[in-house]
Amino acid sequence: GQQVMQIPQYQHVQEGEDFTTYCNSSTTLSNIQWYKQRPGGHPVFLIQLVKSGEVKKQKRLTFQFGEAKKNSSLHITATQTTDVGTYFCAGNAGGTSYGKLTFGQGTILTVHP
Amino acid sequence: DTAVSQTPKYLVTQMGNDKSIKCEQNLGHDTMYWYKQDSKKFLKIMFSYNNKELIINETVPNRFSPKSPDKAHLNLHINSLELGDSAVYFCASSPSRGSFYGYTFGSGTRLTVV
Repeated sequence: GQQVMQIPQYQHVQEGEDFTTYCNSSTTLSNIQWYKQRPGGHPVFLIQLVKSGEVKKQKRLTFQFGEAKKNSSLHITATQTTDVGTYFCAGNAGGTSYGKLTFGQGTILTVHP
Repeated sequence: DTAVSQTPKYLVTQMGNDKSIKCEQNLGHDTMYWYKQDSKKFLKIMFSYNNKELIINETVPNRFSPKSPDKAHLNLHINSLELGDSAVYFCASSPSRGSFYGYTFGSGTRLTVV
């Protein structure tokens, strides 16, 4: 079945440093979504990427979708303590998996002040 | 007004008991989901309903039975609870069954089986 792998599993940074998490799918994706889960909270939708090579920005966050639509990344510039949480990518392969969003394992980000 | 609400927030119960978790969404969405998040934070889909019809049924023990009385509600009943069922269960909804829409998650139900 479809697998979505995410690395690294953990990332500890000093406030002000940059952070990147990477997502790779075993199959070509129709679209990919990113979610953030604060400690003790629930996943919150951040953004969706649909087109090959697409790049989207939200303030200090930059999201990319690979040309082959099998990988994606989230980059945070100049992290702040409010960025703490787990970041998940989630992909949909379409076809028989239509409507099923498969989540990566998540990257747990810790930001030291 | 909470968009996706789950009850209860915490559930502590003994092995062998039967329990239910309720979920309601007021977003007018057609599709609802149950996800299980284990201790390593891995989110795994369990079930999905589109307008009361079951459309996704992952490899889940048949002790777990979802029920959707209408498109705004999706409940999860668990029979004969086991220690391994301890996890956080999230309900979510999306406008339609295609996953071209972001999911809205409930705040979760932390189930502890002792």
